[in-house]
Amino acid sequence: DTAVSQTPKYLVTQMGNDKSIKCEQNLGHDTMYWYKQDSKKFLKIMFSYNNKELIINETVPNRFSPKSPDKAHLNLHINSLELGDSAVYFCASSQESRTPISYEQYFGPGTRLTVT
Amino acid sequence: ELKVEQNPLFLSMQEGKNYTIYCNYSTTSDRLYWYRQDPGKSLESLFVLLSNGAVKQEGRLMASLDTKARLSTLHITAAVHDLSATYFCAVDRGAGKSTFGDGTTLTVKP
Repeated sequence: DTAVSQTPKYLVTQMGNDKSIKCEQNLGHDTMYWYKQDSKKFLKIMFSYNNKELIINETVPNRFSPKSPDKAHLNLHINSLELGDSAVYFCASSQESRTPISYEQYFGPGTRLTVT
Repeated sequence: ELKVEQNPLFLSMQEGKNYTIYCNYSTTSDRLYWYRQDPGKSLESLFVLLSNGAVKQEGRLMASLDTKARLSTLHITAAVHDLSATYFCAVDRGAGKSTFGDGTTLTVKP
C-alpha cells in the first residue's frame, strides 16, 4: 500500500498552459504539504494544510493554488505555466505527535514537471 | 528568518572511512529531522531528534542534536556504497513547518 501517492509522475507541458498535480495519503495524517525541488536539489516548502485549512503559504506566485477537498487529499493547480516552474514537486504528510511533539514528514514519489 | 546550513554540500569518500555532516541553524528549535534522498527518488525519514542531547543510531549512521549550539551532526562510520545519497536536515519551526538545509550529496567510492 502506497502511503503518499502523487499523479502524474511526469508532466511535460508548454508555457502558458494550466495543469494540476494530485496527492493522496492513506496514513490518516492531518497535515499535508507541497514542496518544490529545483535542479540543484534545493527543497522549498510552498504550502501546508491542516485538516483542510491552509496554515502555511510561503512566498509563491499566485499562479499556484492548492486545494484540499478533504484531509487525505491535497491538489496543486498551476496557471499560466512558466519555464521557471520546471522542477520536481513533492507532496508530504505528517501527523502531529504530542508526546513529545514531532512533525516527521512522509513524502510522495514526486512529480517531475517540465515546461517547454 | 530561520537559516539552515549544511556542510559540506558535496562529499566524496572511500568505503570504510568515517565522516561527519554538519547542520547548523540560526534560531532556537529543539526538533530536527534527517532525511535521505536517493537519486531520482523521494525523501525518506532517517532520524527524528526531539530534544537537546538526543542521539539516534541506525546501522552505520548516527545523528545527534545540540540545541544550545544549534547544531546537529550526522556521523557515518565505515562508509559503504549503499550510503551514497543526498542527506537533508530539516529544522522544525513549529506548527508543522520545517526549514530544510540545502542537502549533502554523499558519494562513497570503492
